[in-house]
Amino acid sequence: SQQGEEDPQALSIQEGENATMNCSYKTSINNLQWYRQNSGRGLVHLILIRSNEREKHSGRLRVTLDTSKKSSSLLITASRAADTASYFCATEDYDKIIFGKGTRLHILP
Amino acid sequence: GAVVSQHPSWVICKSGTSVKIECRSLDFQATTMFWYRQFPKQSLMLMATSNEGSKATYEQGVEKDKFLINHASLTLSTLTVTSAHPEDSSFYICSASRVGETQYFGPGTRLLVL
Repeated sequence: SQQGEEDPQALSIQEGENATMNCSYKTSINNLQWYRQNSGRGLVHLILIRSNEREKHSGRLRVTLDTSKKSSSLLITASRAADTASYFCATEDYDKIIFGKGTRLHILP
Repeated sequence: GAVVSQHPSWVICKSGTSVKIECRSLDFQATTMFWYRQFPKQSLMLMATSNEGSKATYEQGVEKDKFLINHASLTLSTLTVTSAHPEDSSFYICSASRVGETQYFGPGTRLLVL
């Protein structure tokens, strides 16, 4: 079963702009993670935010978590061509990681 | 961070043959390994969870007789796709973890069944 639902499913922006992706989930969580996947490649872990955290930064990434709304957002600032990839949120169900459907981000030159 | 490898990175096989994919944790002992399948432009779907020395637990809808999982050691799990058919063509990704710790993902294996 899938826990997270990303929004939008696809996003195209100009290089240098900010990209925002949202994720909604259904059940209570201990943490939420964001991953990046370049086309046909494995996953790259971006950031983990715990349920008692509201915001977390890592370089050009900013993640927020609103447990009351069961939602999270990933903001990529000053986007670059290399940011073109699919982005997935993921939550843990006991020892399993359940992935959302993902957002396909395309950075236009 | 911990490193997980997969072999092969890609494989092409004829319909009806079996294919084995290996997942190795290179610098840590993984008590649990997970196998995921990802179809084009879709998300990763968990297929099964395997603990070292015990039978794998399969997700609903995954045929255990078709996708054989062996987790014989703390550093190696194998997924065998038996009697592969074109619809089994997919990207297979494994992950490994220690008890209570996060999962580390392998680079994936692309399977094409002709």
